[in-house]
Amino acid sequence: ETGVTQSPTHLIKTRGQQVTLRCSSQSGHNTVSWYQQALGQGPQFIFQYYREEENGRGNFPPRFSGLQFPNYSSELNVNALELDDSALYLCASSLGGSPLGTYNEQFFGPGTRLTVL
Amino acid sequence: DAKTTQPNSMESNEEEPVHLPCNHSTISGTDYIHWYRQLPSQGPEYVIHGLTSNVNNRMASLAIAEDRKSSTLILHRATLRDAAVYYCIRRTGTASKLTFGTGTRLQVTL
Repeated sequence: ETGVTQSPTHLIKTRGQQVTLRCSSQSGHNTVSWYQQALGQGPQFIFQYYREEENGRGNFPPRFSGLQFPNYSSELNVNALELDDSALYLCASSLGGSPLGTYNEQFFGPGTRLTVL
Repeated sequence: DAKTTQPNSMESNEEEPVHLPCNHSTISGTDYIHWYRQLPSQGPEYVIHGLTSNVNNRMASLAIAEDRKSSTLILHRATLRDAAVYYCIRRTGTASKLTFGTGTRLQVTL
């Protein structure tokens, strides 16, 4: 069973540029969530995709957007990068669509460290 | 946002039990309590979760107070590998997103 993988590991961009981060879900998982983790803080929920549709969004501006593909891999796109976007971006996959009250744990990848200069 | 309160840091000796507290005094009846931990240079990993009853698994035990306003994560025998940031999270029963706080940084020494 392959775990959650993310690419690239590290990335350096300049202010105003655009970036795309990628995530491959764990085998059998149909739900992907993205989180932003600033230094010294806990992860903050950006959005979630379930079967290629956005299924919830946190308090992030529209320049943060995403996609989920038929194989359930996912992309996070950030436009017009700002200095405060520098953070670790985490992707988590899980099995969604379970009966109410059932919790399927989220499996996190190692993250992509984005630095905006 | 769902709010939990945890100590910023704790220390433990290896081989000894560790009790990590979490306060969630405004919890509602449908909120679950989850614990995730984040080892250095890794993404968070699931530890345990519960609603009302105490829970045990191979990693830890979760003790939930009778009034559900607090809970305690118990590591029965801490090892160096348990050094991590431990997050206590409230999750509404119908939601799948996790709302992390700043967690408790656990240091384990020989």
